[in-house]
Amino acid sequence: EIVLTQSPATLSLSPGERATLSCRASQSVSSYLAWYQQKPGQAPRLLIYDTSNRATDIPARFSGSGSGTDFTLAISSLEPEDCAVYYCQQRDSWPRTFGQGTKVEIK
Amino acid sequence: EVQLLESGGGLVQPGGSLRLSCAATGFTFSNFAMNWVRQAPGRGLEWVSTISISGYSTYDTDSVKGRFTISRDDSKNTLYLEMSSLRTEDSALYFCVKSNSDFYYEYWGQGTLVTVSS
Repeated sequence: EIVLTQSPATLSLSPGERATLSCRASQSVSSYLAWYQQKPGQAPRLLIYDTSNRATDIPARFSGSGSGTDFTLAISSLEPEDCAVYYCQQRDSWPRTFGQGTKVEIK
Repeated sequence: EVQLLESGGGLVQPGGSLRLSCAATGFTFSNFAMNWVRQAPGRGLEWVSTISISGYSTYDTDSVKGRFTISRDDSKNTLYLEMSSLRTEDSALYFCVKSNSDFYYEYWGQGTLVTVSS
């Protein structure tokens, strides 16, 4: 099973600042990595798939990068509505796995 | 508009059974793989099961193998999860999820809550 480790656990930033979230895989997942956003009381939403492709209607301030075992989700300029938990997920192999999440707080 | 409406959750005793359903609208159901993903209260996301187009292939996380069965009825645009021998650790919000053409989790329902407790 591929273990995905996200860091930091919590990120506290001010509006307008850049957020950088990390996801490290225990073995290579090639480029088969996605990011999801989950706001309190809501279902997750797909943000990024195949490392760097934005999903439908996702704002351009969200971007993804990386390959192999190290991946990054960047939010270029934080908006108050970006307060959420962000999960990475791999589809390189079975079982599909998620990271434990990074909580983004807006100061 | 894609809509996924789960039902069938509830309170069940350990060792009991439940059948979850997910009614899908707004897309051609038969053309996409479908999934169940769960989330225990206050915890992260856990993939449970996936069924391919036509139901030819299914995949399950190890902890539910032999106890849960994912299936689909394309004539009814409905996804199912038959759960038996339920354990307290199966307690979670169960999401029905549509895959996109790249097999990522594109659309999510709001979930149905399963509580396993005596």
